[in-house]
Amino acid sequence: QVQLVQSGAEVKKPGASVKLSCKASGYTFTTYYMHWVRQAPGQGLEWMGIINPSGGGTSYAQKFQGRVTMTRDTSTSTVYMELSSLRSEDTAVYYCARALDASYLDYWGQGTLVTVSS
Amino acid sequence: EIVLTQSPATLSLSPGERATLSCRASQSVSSYLAWYQQKPGQAPRLLIYDASNRATGIPARFSGSGSGTDFTLTISSLEPEDFAVYYCQQRSNWPRFTFGPGTKVDIK
Repeated sequence: QVQLVQSGAEVKKPGASVKLSCKASGYTFTTYYMHWVRQAPGQGLEWMGIINPSGGGTSYAQKFQGRVTMTRDTSTSTVYMELSSLRSEDTAVYYCARALDASYLDYWGQGTLVTVSS
Repeated sequence: EIVLTQSPATLSLSPGERATLSCRASQSVSSYLAWYQQKPGQAPRLLIYDASNRATGIPARFSGSGSGTDFTLTISSLEPEDFAVYYCQQRSNWPRFTFGPGTKVDIK
């Protein structure tokens, strides 16, 4: 069965960077794009970007351009999302999600809570 | 950027009632729209994609309709487990995606 297992919770200081992981199993890793989406406490879903695990190509939301980097390791079927210059507004649960038809989010990870606090 | 608006923000209904949720796009997204359900403390779940296709394992009481700028998610008869927040998402300007702000369906 398809599983996306994300890394554990992080606490970071303002200005720091965080790198999250998402390990996929149960399907051919390079066949499906992967999204990253975040959700601040009590708020809605915010799309951050997408990566093609096959070639490594990425597309990021304008809001995160210059601060986010998505990468992948095909040998371990893992995608990574690094967010830099963290501020308190980046406190959120971050999800990875597999992309059906390179678009819709059909399987989701369990989420990783990132807390940014001095 | 394509902006999605959802209405109402909150829908208060009783089990067994019909729920009708709306999603409107700032410009045409053709049929490239999905709906998700999210319960507290859980990741979202894909319900409908390409406006009207039910995702794997989704009960038939969930249906989607619409095209262009106006879309509707209908839950024909609310079950207790259907009280949740619902989001729409567009993929029209791939590879840029946006979500709507959500509609909360709560128990009246």
